[in-house]
Amino acid sequence: AQRVTQPEKLLSVFKGAPVELKCNYSYSGSPELFWYVQYSRQRLQLLLRHISRESIKGFTADLNKGETSFHLKKPFAQEEDSAMYYCALGRQAAGNKLTFGGGTRVLVKP
Amino acid sequence: ETGVTQSPTHLIKTRGQQVTLRCSSQSGHNTVSWYQQALGQGPQFIFQYYREEENGRGNFPPRFSGLQFPNYSSELNVNALELDDSALYLCASSLGSNPTDTQYFGPGTRLTVL
Repeated sequence: AQRVTQPEKLLSVFKGAPVELKCNYSYSGSPELFWYVQYSRQRLQLLLRHISRESIKGFTADLNKGETSFHLKKPFAQEEDSAMYYCALGRQAAGNKLTFGGGTRVLVKP
Repeated sequence: ETGVTQSPTHLIKTRGQQVTLRCSSQSGHNTVSWYQQALGQGPQFIFQYYREEENGRGNFPPRFSGLQFPNYSSELNVNALELDDSALYLCASSLGSNPTDTQYFGPGTRLTVL
């Protein structure tokens, strides 16, 4: 069975500092990986997906199949990055049905 | 283009009762997925409907059932409610069911079972 682990429940960083959110997955097939974000009083929304290889709001994430990881990084955190972040795994054979990690709360302090 | 909406916002039920939660997808979205999010946890996949047919199910008992209608609305029904069913229920709509089809989430319905 597939599984997604986000080991940090809370990350607290100062504005301008780098931030890295860890995500590890277990799945024997070819995974589709996503990061979703939920800002305060807003709904869950897609931040980025590994197949797009894009940078959104300064965030990037690299899929490392050897380490089964998909860590999310931003070199200079901003206060508006404070939010709940969820890593999610999809299986190509299962379409866009997602398995989510437990989430990491990011707090960017001024 | 309107977003995904869910009703009601909050709901309180007692054990053994039945509940129906509703979702209105974005126009043109043929796929709706339902997730359960317990407090402090990530969303957990319940099931998905594509063009009014169930298109996959997570590890949930049969007392969780759903319907999807031609007008892009859908329902999640839960029978014989248990205390552990207390959670935020999210629906998400997408154009299709491919991995490249972005899911757009609703605000959720918070269900409390007493």
